Amino acid sequence: GAVVSQHPSRVICKSGTSVKIECRSLDFQATTMFWYRQFPKQSLMLMATSNEGSKATYEQGVEKDKFLINHASLTLSTLTVTSAHPEDSSFYICSARGPAATGKLFFGSGTQLSVL
Amino acid sequence: DAKTTQPNSMESNEEEPVHLPCNHSTISGTDYIHWYRQLPSQGPEYVIHGLTSNVNNRMASLAIAEDRKSSTLILHRATLRDAAVYYCILTRGGGSNYKLTFGKGTLLTVNP
Repeated sequence: GAVVSQHPSRVICKSGTSVKIECRSLDFQATTMFWYRQFPKQSLMLMATSNEGSKATYEQGVEKDKFLINHASLTLSTLTVTSAHPEDSSFYICSARGPAATGKLFFGSGTQLSVL
Repeated sequence: DAKTTQPNSMESNEEEPVHLPCNHSTISGTDYIHWYRQLPSQGPEYVIHGLTSNVNNRMASLAIAEDRKSSTLILHRATLRDAAVYYCILTRGGGSNYKLTFGKGTLLTVNP
């Protein structure tokens, strides 16, 4: 079945540094990918929708200059957390919309970001 | 976006069936009903989906009400590995306005 690979699974960084998270669709082309963040014991919160070859669409309240999304190819989307601060510490999850008309999503395994 | 409503939590015993309800009264005719589940510190995992008819797969069954305003995920024999947060989500195919949001889901606890 379709697989979405997300790396790294865990990252610890110092405050002020930038962190890049990659999301790859391994055996299908994903024109649309989604980025979520999740705090402990809470649901997934949609951050942005990434469309291949165009600018990402950010949800209200998500800073586009803070969370840079690039979807340059049909199999890769990246999320860069710029100038990370401790409040950016969270679990980030990507998903890719599969090719079927049902809108089925395939999820990455998530990235736990800890900013010191 | 069409919203879904689920109980915050449910509890079951191992080897017993579990019925997880979901209300989606504002569903549109082209919305698919998807269920995903999430184990701690992992990304969500696909469980099942349907449009109008009931569906079965190796993981679960999905019963969809005739008016499509509600659905029930059925785990026929719960195991400890089924303990997770279950999300009921409506998806819509195609179009640049496609967006998928998660509700709070149902935390399923399975007792040994």
